[in-house]
Amino acid sequence: NAGVMQNPRHLVRRRGQEARLRCSPMKGHSHVYWYRQLPEEGLKFMVYLQKENIIDESGMPKERFSAEFPKEGPSILRIQQVVRGDSAAYFCASSPRQGSYNEQFFGPGTRLTVL
Amino acid sequence: AQTVTQSQPEMSVQEAETVTLSCTYDTSESDYYLFWYKQPPSRQMILVIRQEAYKQQNATENRFSVNFQKAAKSFSLKISDSQLGDAAMYFCAYRRLPGAGGTSYGKLTFGQGTILTVHP
Repeated sequence: NAGVMQNPRHLVRRRGQEARLRCSPMKGHSHVYWYRQLPEEGLKFMVYLQKENIIDESGMPKERFSAEFPKEGPSILRIQQVVRGDSAAYFCASSPRQGSYNEQFFGPGTRLTVL
Repeated sequence: AQTVTQSQPEMSVQEAETVTLSCTYDTSESDYYLFWYKQPPSRQMILVIRQEAYKQQNATENRFSVNFQKAAKSFSLKISDSQLGDAAMYFCAYRRLPGAGGTSYGKLTFGQGTILTVHP
């Protein structure tokens, strides 16, 4: 069973461009979480999605950031008009379902560099 | 809001020795989950150990064990017989229970991390 896949692993954008980060959850997982890690800091929650639904977006910046998890295909984190402060590692995690405890399995992350 | 604090930015240990990493947290919930994650230089997040707050018994996983003090809101990680491969950034994390209401049960709240160096 392949783990959580994220691509690209490294992404370089110039200020003002758009960044699209993709996350394919583990097989059978229908819950996806996005986290951001700034240099020398811990991971910060951004958004929690189930198929076709955003459950919790309390950690998402109000502007320029959006996320989706369509019925088919990977989850996408989209950053419009990137700025230097968006440079960070973005991690995706997935879990099979909610209920009692369900471990979040993390992908390898996408490192975004904004020039 | 829940917060997680790791007061030790860096720790070091000699190979085969024991080291303890500290973590405190703040919550008004009575039941929740606590975790320790390891992030090696590859940056892959790896779950080391977890603890359910309703369980009084401290969790153990091979060389890793926790000291969970619920009243003090403390959750330290002890690594015994340290190995070179244990060198990494370690993060303490908190998560609400799904049945606690609201929609924030999905998120993990992480501490700032502790860099562990293992000396041969």
